[in-house]
Amino acid sequence: EAEVAQSPRYKITEKSQAVAFWCDPISGHATLYWYRQILGQGPELLVQFQDESVVDDSQLPKDRFSAERLKGVDSTLKIQPAELGDSAMYLCASSPVASGGTYEQYFGPGTRLTVT
Amino acid sequence: QKEVEQDPGPLSVPEGAIVSLNCTYSNSAFQYFMWYRQYSRKGPELLMYTYSSGNKEDGRFTAQVDKSSKYISLFIRDSQPSDSATYLCAMNWGNNRLAFGKGNQVVVIP
Repeated sequence: EAEVAQSPRYKITEKSQAVAFWCDPISGHATLYWYRQILGQGPELLVQFQDESVVDDSQLPKDRFSAERLKGVDSTLKIQPAELGDSAMYLCASSPVASGGTYEQYFGPGTRLTVT
Repeated sequence: QKEVEQDPGPLSVPEGAIVSLNCTYSNSAFQYFMWYRQYSRKGPELLMYTYSSGNKEDGRFTAQVDKSSKYISLFIRDSQPSDSATYLCAMNWGNNRLAFGKGNQVVVIP
């Protein structure tokens, strides 16, 4: 069964350092999402891609976060510099399409980030 | 006020009991309603998906939507220890941008 892959699964970094997460969506899925899930909360969307284009990054803290999906396949989310409040689970999800309805989003296992 | 409210209190039930979970929402534009299950250290997985008001059953799981009250529920019958997980409600209005509740941690005690 196809799955969304994420790496690393766990990351510990010191504040002010740079950190990057990688996501490989299910093959053929045009839409890719990055979510942040703080412990005890539901996931919150950070950025949504349709192919290689950003369609929603309204909740992305652009002063320190960046995301790219250069070839419309895998994606990288970067934080620079990391802050203590960035400690959370970072989830990647993908779905077949985005517009004209709603489709199931398939989530990866997440990357748990701890900033010390 | 958040768009989706879900009382995040943990819930412990004995095996075989009925689990009842619910969410309320404020955005009347929401049309699609989902329940996700999230096991510890895993990503959420879609459990139930409904579009209109009413009930939807899938095995031991029943999802209810009451759009007039802006209230959705999930019932788990004959609960099993394997049902122990966090249950998240989620909803959107067709643009695939999901708004999640905080989640309920459910523990089914053998």
